[in-house]
Formats: sequence, structure tokens, C-alpha cells
Amino acid sequence: AQTVTQSQPEMSVQEAETVTLSCTYDTSESDYYLFWYKQPPSRQMILVIRQEAYKQQNATENRFSVNFQKAAKSFSLKISDSQLGDAAMYFCAYRRKSSGSARQLTFGSGTQLTVLP
Amino acid sequence: DSGVTQTPKHLITATGQRVTLRCSPRSGDLSVYWYQQSLDQGLQFLIQYYNGEERAKGNILERFSAQQFPDLHSELNLSSLELGDSALYFCASSVVGGSNTEAFFGQGTRLTVV
Repeated sequence: AQTVTQSQPEMSVQEAETVTLSCTYDTSESDYYLFWYKQPPSRQMILVIRQEAYKQQNATENRFSVNFQKAAKSFSLKISDSQLGDAAMYFCAYRRKSSGSARQLTFGSGTQLTVLP
Repeated sequence: DSGVTQTPKHLITATGQRVTLRCSPRSGDLSVYWYQQSLDQGLQFLIQYYNGEERAKGNILERFSAQQFPDLHSELNLSSLELGDSALYFCASSVVGGSNTEAFFGQGTRLTVV
């Protein structure tokens, strides 16, 4: 079974600074997807960024980028120029690249990010 | 707005009771997923339906059941409720097939069992 581990329950960052959230995962598969979701106080789950395992290039979405190390099974999220609106719980998630229709996500335990003004 | 609608937003009920949570997926999405978010267990996958059929099962208790109707909306039924069932229940939907990988989440139903 796949597992996702987020070892930082809480992180804080000064506004405009950069922060990196860590995630490791365990899988025996070679092709899969990894995601970072954001859950603000509104509790809505919002997709921040996705990475396809067979792509060596790290994904980037504006101020958000990932460092994907496939051999190490590591998938960290870097938030640059942090803003107050980035404060939220961040979840790392894994999904098999299933040829069928079973596409459920396996989530880590989350990292609560606080942005200090 | 993700396009996934969950009702009700909040639900308070007593132990031993039964409740039904409803989810309307995004237009065109055939797959519906149910997740439970609790302080103890984190975010856990419960069950998936695809075009009316059960497709994958996770850590879903026998007291819980779900179904997906011909109009593709889904219901999660929770019975013989216990205090530990208090949680946020999410529904997500996705397109299956092609290169689309994203699941869109509803805003969740907050269930409180007293």
C-alpha cells in the first residue's frame, strides 16, 4: 500500500520570505501522480500543484514550485514570496496512474502553515 | 467554486442515529469519491463510484454505505452513529480517462455526533 508522510505538523514563515514543506512517500509503482493541496480555514480543498512521476522537470505554478526526487521518494513544496493568503493546512497526496477508473488519493497528515506579517 | 455541491454543510445528530450526506458532482464527471477528515485519522479515502458502480473501497466501516444514482449524484449513508464518526466528510469528482488528473472537492459536510 502507498503511504505519504509529512513530518512537519507546523511551519511558519515571514511574509515575502520563502518556505519549503516536506513530503515523502512510499510506493512500489514507477508511474504515478503527486499533488499538493491547500486547505484554508474555509476548509475547501484546493489543488496547488501536480507532478507526474515520469516527468523529470519539476512542476511550477507561479510562486509555488516542487522539488521532486523520484529515487529518494521525496516531493517538497516551495512557496516563494509568501503572502498572508498562503496561510493554510497543506496536504501532500499520491495517486496511482491507474489504467482503470480507480483514482483515489492517499493523503499525508498535513502541515499547518502560518504566515507572519 | 469547484462545481461539486455537498449538502448539508453542517449536521448535528445523536449517537445511534442514521444520516445521509449528498453530493452532486461537476457536470460531466462520472466518478465520485468520498473522503473522511478527522483529527484522529486525517484525510482518508472511503469509497469511489464510477457511473453508478462501486469502483474502489478504502477504510469504510460496515455501518457506512454509499450509492451513485443514474443522474450521477451520490449519497453516503452513515448509520448507528458513534461519537468517533464526528468528522468532515468530503466528496470529490473527476473525469476518468484522458490526461485529466485533477479531482475537484466539494466544501464538505461537517458531521457532529453528540
